[in-house]
Amino acid sequence: SQQGEEDPQALSIQEGENATMNCSYKTSINNLQWYRQNSGRGLVHLILIRSNEREKHSGRLRVTLDTSKKSSSLLITASRAADTASYFCATVPAGGGYQKVTFGTGTKLQVIP
Amino acid sequence: DAGITQSPRHKVTETGTPVTLRCHQTENHRYMYWYRQDPGHGLRLIHYSYGVKDTDKGEVSDGYSVSRSKTEDFLLTLESATSSQTSVYFCAISEPGQGVVWSGANVLTFGAGSRLTVL
Repeated sequence: SQQGEEDPQALSIQEGENATMNCSYKTSINNLQWYRQNSGRGLVHLILIRSNEREKHSGRLRVTLDTSKKSSSLLITASRAADTASYFCATVPAGGGYQKVTFGTGTKLQVIP
Repeated sequence: DAGITQSPRHKVTETGTPVTLRCHQTENHRYMYWYRQDPGHGLRLIHYSYGVKDTDKGEVSDGYSVSRSKTEDFLLTLESATSSQTSVYFCAISEPGQGVVWSGANVLTFGAGSRLTVL
């Protein structure tokens, strides 16, 4: 079963708007990561947030983590057409087994120019 | 995709035939992974390796075997391919720490993927 579930499954916005996607997970984590996948390509790491952190920024990306609710959100501000891609959250489990990085089902983002 | 290559990138085969996918890395990372990606399922871990000849199962390992005889190569074998194994397969690598000390992260770098169709 998937550790992470993303919401929404698909999102379509206009260029310049903000895009928010959410991830829920089931078990305790050491850290949570977000990856991006352009069509037909491999995944690329975007940002990592550790379980003792609540918010992290990187350029136009803002990630929040709520371990009490087992959820995370990824905000992309001032979106661009080049942000069109699928976005996946991935969790690294706590208490060992860090090799078993588990991915969610992804959010497909379309940014309309 | 720098430092990690997958071959073949595309393959069409028939049910019952053996298939081997190869992942090659030049980063000298200890950990290597095989995932499959299917619509509605995201990525699911098949097997991973934490060193030469050291491998372990992921969540969807049935029907797959792996081997790692060299640090740089990780092979995924389907002994007798089935239509349910039609998928896109991704190799990934990571170096989660130095020696036995974990960095506390484990960030994966992915290959470009291998699309397998089993008819």
